[in-house]
Amino acid sequence: RKEVEQDPGPFNVPEGATVAFNCTYSNSASQSFFWYRQDCRKEPKLLMSVYSSGNEDGRFTAQLNRASQYISLLIRDSKLSDSATYLCVPLGRGFKTIFGAGTRLFVKA
Amino acid sequence: IAGITQAPTSQILAAGRRMTLRCTQDMRHNAMYWYRQDLGLGLRLIHYSNTAGTTGKGEVPDGYSVSRANTDDFPLTLASAVPSQTSVYFCASSAGSSGVDEQFFGPGTRLTVL
Repeated sequence: RKEVEQDPGPFNVPEGATVAFNCTYSNSASQSFFWYRQDCRKEPKLLMSVYSSGNEDGRFTAQLNRASQYISLLIRDSKLSDSATYLCVPLGRGFKTIFGAGTRLFVKA
Repeated sequence: IAGITQAPTSQILAAGRRMTLRCTQDMRHNAMYWYRQDLGLGLRLIHYSNTAGTTGKGEVPDGYSVSRANTDDFPLTLASAVPSQTSVYFCASSAGSSGVDEQFFGPGTRLTVL
């Protein structure tokens, strides 16, 4: 099993749709969890952090399931501007940072 | 300067040449990181530094070296570049020194080794 696994997609959804991504991780010692957004040929930018069971920010909701070792990202009312690659990263002490390869999202008009 | 800067933005390099990618942050963050990103692959950690004066190896350190003489700068050196080092290189930093804090990324350096 890879340390961090994401469905690469692409997910093609119409504007206004709700879409969800999952990310599974193998290191049970992971302490903090993040979702990043990366636009084509740009640097990753922090979207959300998940420190306990979940976090909500406007149209975005991230949830953490420690027992099953996955984090999810839900995007409601998708916008064209949400088109990007979404990366998950669980972090634990020791700096062995492993990013997921990302899930590509295309939102169509 | 605001955040993290990287230089150069892009570079074409002949194989065998030495190259240093520069990274500077002005947030007084303790930890800094170097990643490479290749098409279809995720970010892979090359080297990291949890505080000035210390460095550590990441997932793909071979062919690269780093130094952390002060808090702000974290240069990455390719001693003798090879075509497999063609990639986009991102520098990042985080506030804490334990490795569990959110990371902030620079704009990247696109390196082509011919």
